[in-house]
Amino acid sequence: NAGVTQTPKFQVLKTGQSMTLQCAQDMNHNSMYWYRQDPGMGLRLIYYSASEGTTDKGEVPNGYNVSRLNKREFSLRLESAAPSQTSVYFCASRTSGGNEQFFGPGTRLTVL
Amino acid sequence: AQTVTQSQPEMSVQEAETVTLSCTYDTSESDYYLFWYKQPPSRQMILVIRQEAYKQQNATENRFSVNFQKAAKSFSLKISDSQLGDAAMYFCAYRRAGGTSYGKLTFGQGTILTVHP
Repeated sequence: NAGVTQTPKFQVLKTGQSMTLQCAQDMNHNSMYWYRQDPGMGLRLIYYSASEGTTDKGEVPNGYNVSRLNKREFSLRLESAAPSQTSVYFCASRTSGGNEQFFGPGTRLTVL
Repeated sequence: AQTVTQSQPEMSVQEAETVTLSCTYDTSESDYYLFWYKQPPSRQMILVIRQEAYKQQNATENRFSVNFQKAAKSFSLKISDSQLGDAAMYFCAYRRAGGTSYGKLTFGQGTILTVHP
């Protein structure tokens, strides 16, 4: 099992460009999450998907959109990147009723 | 809203010694879960230990143990016999119990642990 995979691992964008961060899990988990990690602020939830076909906002959703493409895949889109979106982005997944979230390796995004 | 606070941005310990990382949280819920995650330089998030709020007994995983004080809303992590591989960022996290929480985690700011040989 690969667990949770994320692509790309690194990305540099210019202000105003768009991009999609990809996440996939092969553990048959129902719930998936996107977090961002910033220095001194820990990880903050951007969006989550409790189950296939549903998505909902987390703590910091502004400037982002998500798509739960199927049970395996949960993508995060930046329509018009801003320097404030420079961060490390983590995808995670969890089985229904499970206590542990499994995290991907993260994507380091820099917006110039 | 729940908040999690780690008041120690950085801690250091000598190899083979013991270190305690602090975490406090604020919630009005009575049933919840608390976690400690380790993030080494590789960036991978690794679950270290978990505590269920309804359990009075403190969780233990090998050299890692917690001191859970529910009334004080305190959840500290003790690392015994520290090893060089323990050097990492450590995050405390909270999750409300129940299906409507959807498993969402609230994280603290993190504590960087340095282990000196």
